[in-house]
Amino acid sequence: DAGVTQTPRHEVAEKGQTIILKCEPVSGHNDLFWYRQTKIQGLELLSYFRSKSLMEDGGAFKDRFKAEMLNSSFSTLKIQPTEPKDSAVYLCASSLSGLVGEQYFGPGTRLTVL
Amino acid sequence: QQKVQQSPESLIVPEGGMASLNCTSSDRNVDYFWWYRQHSGKSPKMLMSIFSNGEKEEGRFTVHLNKASLHTSLHIRDSQPSDSALYLCAASRNSNNRIFFGDGTQLVVKP
Repeated sequence: DAGVTQTPRHEVAEKGQTIILKCEPVSGHNDLFWYRQTKIQGLELLSYFRSKSLMEDGGAFKDRFKAEMLNSSFSTLKIQPTEPKDSAVYLCASSLSGLVGEQYFGPGTRLTVL
Repeated sequence: QQKVQQSPESLIVPEGGMASLNCTSSDRNVDYFWWYRQHSGKSPKMLMSIFSNGEKEEGRFTVHLNKASLHTSLHIRDSQPSDSALYLCAASRNSNNRIFFGDGTQLVVKP
């Protein structure tokens, strides 16, 4: 079985650009999560979908971060406009509903904003 | 608001030694705990889960849970250099609610 896939693996953006990160969850999983990870802040939840419905949007990240689930097997995270403080690793994870704690993480996208 | 606190922030143990990591929830409604391991440059992977009072053992790894104090601990015996990683604790109110991660304990096992 394929795990969670994320593209691109690395992204370099200029301040003010729009970038789109992509994620394909494990087939059959109906919960999908977007996280941001930095050494200082740790793992921060950006968005949480269940069966394509947005369950949580990560509060503080609402203004420039927008996650969407176009279908059950594809999600995007748009950051618009990017700022240097957005430099981090962005992780996508999926799980089965009812086993939300058992999350499978993708390899992540390392974003650098200049 | 941080709902999951982990200690220590970092830990160094000699190869063959015992590593003990702690995790406490500040949410009294939490019922489920998970431990994840993240090797450097990799993504987190679930290691163990515990939902009932007591302990659970899987090989060299033992997890304890005390629901009254909302405290869980992970113990690694006969620690190996390959155990060096960031260990993340997560908690939720039930198996169907989203989980909250702690900031992690960075474990280094010195040969």
